Amino acid sequence: GAVVSQHPSRVICKSGTSVKIECRSLDFQATTMFWYRQFPKQSLMLMATSNEGSKATYEQGVEKDKFLINHASLTLSTLTVTSAHPEDSSFYICSARGRLAGGSAGSTDTQYFGPGTRLTVL
Amino acid sequence: KQEVTQIPAALSVPEGENLVLNCSFTDSAIYNLQWFRQDPGKGLTSLLLIQSSQREQTSGRLNASLDKSSGRSTLYIAASQPGDSATYLCAVRGNQFYFGTGTSLTVIP
Repeated sequence: GAVVSQHPSRVICKSGTSVKIECRSLDFQATTMFWYRQFPKQSLMLMATSNEGSKATYEQGVEKDKFLINHASLTLSTLTVTSAHPEDSSFYICSARGRLAGGSAGSTDTQYFGPGTRLTVL
Repeated sequence: KQEVTQIPAALSVPEGENLVLNCSFTDSAIYNLQWFRQDPGKGLTSLLLIQSSQREQTSGRLNASLDKSSGRSTLYIAASQPGDSATYLCAVRGNQFYFGTGTSLTVIP
């Protein structure tokens, strides 16, 4: 079945550095990517939605200059946490929506989720 | 490897009915379980979060239960409304997230 991968799975960085998280769709072309984060003991919350080749749409309260999202191709989206601080420590997960390769003309889009990336900022 | 299963895959009910969605998982070593809804073309909306130490959570017409030992969770929706029509996903959090395949709910006016 379709797979979405994230890299790295875990990252520890110093405060003030930038961290890039990659999200790849392996068996299909992802026309839309979603980025979520989950703080400890809190619900998974949507950060932004990005369509291939266009700027991401950020949810209210998410700083677009701090969380840079690039969706340059149909199989790759990246989330860069710039000038990370300890309060950015969280679990980040992406999901990709698209149509499976070889699908019929009438097939509908399906969404698949990555395994997540645990970011710890010291 | 954790496997998350949701039954039924699709459900259609008349407005006003109470309904139950089921989620089962194979590995009971989880931190928490969440229920989400997803509207067509949109991202996930979190409905309820149950920590591994909890047995249920309630929000409005929604009640979610968790039986970790048996690897089961249910989402109960009372007095269903057409606006409840969506896909409902459960996800368990261990070292990573594992999502169920979802239940597509249609509430008929």
